[in-house]
Amino acid sequence: DAKTTQPNSMESNEEEPVHLPCNHSTISGTDYIHWYRQLPSQGPEYVIHGLTSNVNNRMASLAIAEDRKSSTLILHRATLRDAAVYYCILSGGSNYKLTFGKGTLLTVNP
Amino acid sequence: EAGVAQSPRYKIIEKRQSVAFWCNPISGHATLYWYQQILGQGPKLLIQFQNNGVVDDSQLPKDRFSAERLKGVDSTLKIQPAKLEDSAVYLCASSLVVASTYEQYFGPGTRLTVT
Repeated sequence: DAKTTQPNSMESNEEEPVHLPCNHSTISGTDYIHWYRQLPSQGPEYVIHGLTSNVNNRMASLAIAEDRKSSTLILHRATLRDAAVYYCILSGGSNYKLTFGKGTLLTVNP
Repeated sequence: EAGVAQSPRYKIIEKRQSVAFWCNPISGHATLYWYQQILGQGPKLLIQFQNNGVVDDSQLPKDRFSAERLKGVDSTLKIQPAKLEDSAVYLCASSLVVASTYEQYFGPGTRLTVT
């Protein structure tokens, strides 16, 4: 499975933008880039995914580098409810398995 | 739309005992997953079903873990006998189909403590 590298932790202030980086230098041409987050004591929650082009949804934006070897999840205005572990995952192959790493623990300060 | 349901939410057993977890996926979702999440780590896929057939069980410890999805809806995961290292949160997830463009929806998990 293709691997991703994320910082262990990041900190942000409430109502400021947050840029969560992810490196995936061994990504293959058919791998999708997924982001999930896990709030305390809950199951993971889908955030966004993309293949080549930048993507926006109501929760976040995903910026994908032109060579696809890195991506950035952007939370436009962090709230206290965004404090969670954020996982960057590559998925492809015949069964599109999600292989979770340790993710980035995001702390949001009031 | 109702989410993925799991029960029980918590379970404490002694080592060498058996335990079973139940999952009810979102209605109409063909694909069901069981994950194990040890404290401080990301979830690890144990088994993936497409309807009632197994797609991937490569990381399921088959000497002690078993799972079934009768009639392609509900699923149960069983551990027999349990070991101390099985202490973890067991997460169930479902998705509409097996495809990278379809998100997985996770249940709240069952926290298992083996003493």
